[in-house]
Order: sequence, then C-alpha cells, then structure tokens
Amino acid sequence: NAGVTQTPKFQVLKTGQSMTLQCAQDMNHNSMYWYRQDPGMGLRLIYYSASEGTTDKGEVPNGYNVSRLNKREFSLRLESAAPSQTSVYFCASSELRGSQFTQYFGPGTRLTVL
Amino acid sequence: GQQVMQIPQYQHVQEGEDFTTYCNSSTTLSNIQWYKQRPGGHPVFLIQLVKSGEVKKQKRLTFQFGEAKKNSSLHITATQTTDVGTYFCNGGYNKLIFGAGTRLAVHP
Repeated sequence: NAGVTQTPKFQVLKTGQSMTLQCAQDMNHNSMYWYRQDPGMGLRLIYYSASEGTTDKGEVPNGYNVSRLNKREFSLRLESAAPSQTSVYFCASSELRGSQFTQYFGPGTRLTVL
Repeated sequence: GQQVMQIPQYQHVQEGEDFTTYCNSSTTLSNIQWYKQRPGGHPVFLIQLVKSGEVKKQKRLTFQFGEAKKNSSLHITATQTTDVGTYFCNGGYNKLIFGAGTRLAVHP
C-alpha cells in the first residue's frame, strides 16, 4: 500500500514551458486535491476532485488545469510556466466515513521556474 | 470568503516546556483537522474534531474544538525535539482552507 505517490520529485522549467505533475493513490479514495506551498507559507488549494469525472476550482486555480483520469489518478498541468509558479506541489486524497474525514498527502514535487 | 487564522506564526520553546497554537475561523466550521509537517516533509494528518466543545488527546497532545465551532487549539505538554515542525489547522471537507501554520522550534 503505497498511499499517495507523486512524480516527479523535482523539476526545473524555463518560463513558458509546459509540464504535467502526476499523482496516484491506491486507497480507493473518491476525493483528490492539488495544493501549492510557497516557502514559509501554508497550503493553498489549487483544484480538487470530489469524485471521478468531476473537478472544481480551489483558492488559486489560475495558470493550472487538472484531469481526473480515473479514480486513482489526478494530474496537474502547467500550460505555460511562470516564475510565480515556483513552489512545492502536494497532491492529497481523502476518505469520508460518516463524519470521520482523513486526508493523506503525497511527498510533494519541488518545482522551480526560471 | 472563509478565512482561517493561526497564532502564533512561530514559537520556540525549551524542551520540556508546554506549547499551544490557536486556530480561528471567520465562519462556523463543520469540523476541524490538525496536521503536522516536519521540515522538508509533507503534511501528516493528526486528528479531526467534529462536535462543539470536543476535546481529544493523543499522548502529550490535546486538541479542543470551541463551543461555537469557530476556533480550536492544540496543546503539547512537555515538548520534545521530535515535536519540531509546523502545525496546520484546516476546516471543511472538500474546498479545504488551511491556516498559515504555527512553526514550532524546540531547543534541547
């Protein structure tokens, strides 16, 4: 049981380049999330997917697109990277049993845009 | 929109001292979750509180949810160096709003 996995772990891009961050979970969770964390800051929600086939904007969606490929996988795409998108990106998934909610995070992708 | 504020932003303590961080929301929360993030690591879920006035304990950690469900606290008794990290609170289920976190440094 690997939990939440993310690839790549590190990435350096030039301004204007595109890339896709991959995320997968093997816990059969319905909900998945993408966050960004800037140095010394909290987590800001970019997009989330409450179930397979649905996605919704979070707090900071501009400059990003997402795809919920299937129940396991939720990818984040930067179409034209900008230096302001330099950050650590965390993917997460969650389960809700009754009112008991638990969220699990992946190890993160450290992205630098030059 | 909903905002979650955490205080203090940073605290350093001597090992063995107690530590408390507070989380305050501008709106009533359905639930509150607490997470710990070690330096260079990813957030790890600690606990969820759902009921008004709820108190839960995990060894030296005590979590409390306010009566009005707009604030919460995390108290660590007799801190250890293993408690170092940033503690985040978060409310909601899907469109989750995290506080900026409280960074705890523990000096041996």
